[in-house]
Amino acid sequence: KAGVTQTPRYLIKTRGQQVTLSCSPISGHRSVSWYQQTPGQGLQFLFEYFSETQRNKGNFPGRFSGRQFSNSRSEMNVSTLELGDSALYLCASSFTQQGASRGYTFGSGTRLTVV
Amino acid sequence: AQKVTQAQTEISVVEKEDVTLDCVYETRDTTYYLFWYKQPPSGELVFLIRRNSFDEQNEISGRYSWNFQKSTSSFNFTITASQVVDSAVYFCALSGRDDKIIFGKGTRLHILP
Repeated sequence: KAGVTQTPRYLIKTRGQQVTLSCSPISGHRSVSWYQQTPGQGLQFLFEYFSETQRNKGNFPGRFSGRQFSNSRSEMNVSTLELGDSALYLCASSFTQQGASRGYTFGSGTRLTVV
Repeated sequence: AQKVTQAQTEISVVEKEDVTLDCVYETRDTTYYLFWYKQPPSGELVFLIRRNSFDEQNEISGRYSWNFQKSTSSFNFTITASQVVDSAVYFCALSGRDDKIIFGKGTRLHILP
């Protein structure tokens, strides 16, 4: 059974640009969550989608957005990139909407570098 | 507010030694879940264990064991007879009523051959 797949693995963007990251959950999983990992702030929750609806949101500016498609695949978008957005972005999936309490399966992440 | 504290930023031990990773949490929820995840150099977070707030039984899985004590709000993780492959960053995490996982800052574990 394939795990959580995130593409691309590495990305370099320039300040001011926008970026879209993709996450394909485990087959049958309907909940997808996104986390940002930086050395300074650690792992921070961005948002969670379940059945194409945003169910939970962290404390990030509106430049960070996401969506989920009918096949449960999810994308997150960051507009007007800043240097501080450089991070490892991790996607996690679970079968139910109570993913956090059940434990997620994480992907390997997309490492975004903003220059 | 919920909080997870992993006071040990980095630990180095020689292979075959036992090592304990500390985790202290804060929450006002009566029902909550505690987790440990391992992050190897490849980057993905690997789920190790989940514990709910009503189950204080210690758990052992091979060389891994976990000690959950509500009285001290701690959920410590011990690796017995450590191996080089155990080298990674380990995260303790908490999920409560809002169903968001809050992670600690992580402990980087180096197992020296």
